[in-house]
Amino acid sequence: DAGVIQSPRHEVTEMGQEVTLRCKPISGHNSLFWYRQTMMRGLELLIYFNNNVPIDDSGMPEDRFSAKMPNASFSTLKIQPSEPRDSAVYFCASRSGPGANEQFFGPGTRLTVL
Amino acid sequence: GENVEQHPSTLSVQEGDSAVIKCTYSDSASNYFPWYKQELGKRPQLIIDIRSNVGEKKDQRIAVTLNKTAKHFSLHITETQPEDSAVYFCAADSGGYQKVTFGIGTKLQVIP
Repeated sequence: DAGVIQSPRHEVTEMGQEVTLRCKPISGHNSLFWYRQTMMRGLELLIYFNNNVPIDDSGMPEDRFSAKMPNASFSTLKIQPSEPRDSAVYFCASRSGPGANEQFFGPGTRLTVL
Repeated sequence: GENVEQHPSTLSVQEGDSAVIKCTYSDSASNYFPWYKQELGKRPQLIIDIRSNVGEKKDQRIAVTLNKTAKHFSLHITETQPEDSAVYFCAADSGGYQKVTFGIGTKLQVIP
């Protein structure tokens, strides 16, 4: 298995533009998490899904952020419009089911908003 | 909800010495406590975990202890090496459909 796949790996955009980050979880995993990591705030959970259904989106900073999981093998995190303070590394992680198990992280997407 | 506190935020040790990182949690329902290591520019990866029915677990130079009564758990690294330099995150997980809560992270520097 290739592990969790994220794209793009790096994204540079200008303020006000729409940004879409993509994630493919490990096959067979039915829990998916989106995290944001910055020096100031550490690793923050934005939203997570179980069986493609959003369970907790209380970490989504504001309405500019949205996430979808249309099927078990794909999820997107969208920021519209983007702002410089959104600059961070965004990680996607997946886990095999709702039980307490290891999360497998993707390589991350480094987002820079100018 | 769960609250995980981790300290210290930074830790410098001489090569060969031991390093200890401590975490506390608030939700007594938490029953799984993983530790992740994140090297510079890389993704977090699991290095060791412990479940609530166990008080201690060891894997070569790393060990984790859990005190359920006091709601705290610790990571111990012995005979530290420069390649141990990284950020370490603790986490608490109650299973089911609850989210995993991570600590703020500890930046460990091992000085050769």
